Amino acid sequence: DTAVSQTPKYLVTQMGNDKSIKCEQNLGHDTMYWYKQDSKKFLKIMFSYNNKELIINETVPNRFSPKSPDKAHLNLHINSLELGDSAVYFCASSQYRSPAFFGPGTRLTVL
Amino acid sequence: AQTVTQSQPEMSVQEAETVTLSCTYDTSESDYYLFWYKQPPSRQMILVIRQEAYKQQNATENRFSVNFQKAAKSFSLKISDSQLGDAAMYFCAYRSARETGTASKLTFGTGTRLQVTL
Repeated sequence: DTAVSQTPKYLVTQMGNDKSIKCEQNLGHDTMYWYKQDSKKFLKIMFSYNNKELIINETVPNRFSPKSPDKAHLNLHINSLELGDSAVYFCASSQYRSPAFFGPGTRLTVL
Repeated sequence: AQTVTQSQPEMSVQEAETVTLSCTYDTSESDYYLFWYKQPPSRQMILVIRQEAYKQQNATENRFSVNFQKAAKSFSLKISDSQLGDAAMYFCAYRSARETGTASKLTFGTGTRLQVTL
């Protein structure tokens, strides 16, 4: 039983394209996150939603738009992809006073 | 803002030996959580161990234990009886105990790559 799942796991696309990454959690958590891991393995928060409400938006270009249709899902849409967007994107979820659980990650490669 | 520092980019340990990974952090808060996450080559982020700042007792999970020094803002991870499967990137992370707004995010260190040799 997968706790946090993401699709796709790999995404290869051309510059200028628009792409989406989907995330679902079956842990019943109220809070979901998107983290970005760059080529040097550094992990940084991008967005967080709590019960479908955006609560964290960390100086991310507005080409990135998260959407949470319900508290179990958090999607990430990226417009006009750039070379610098190449990274691994992790979805995670947590509940009050619990650790965050991560999805398997989506490796995005922009050519 | 909180910061997390891992000063060892790479460490190596022989199988069955013990290794300690270092982590220091900076915060003005008194209540928070600290975590160690493991990232093997599969890239999955796996929670290894957690520590609540209000607990003086160091957390232990099987072969993994921490040395939490709150005054020194230090949170090291000790791996005993190292196994080949322990080879991975290890990330130290901080989270505020305030569960509102930006407080719920994890702040990560830069990671330590652990190599396990025969």
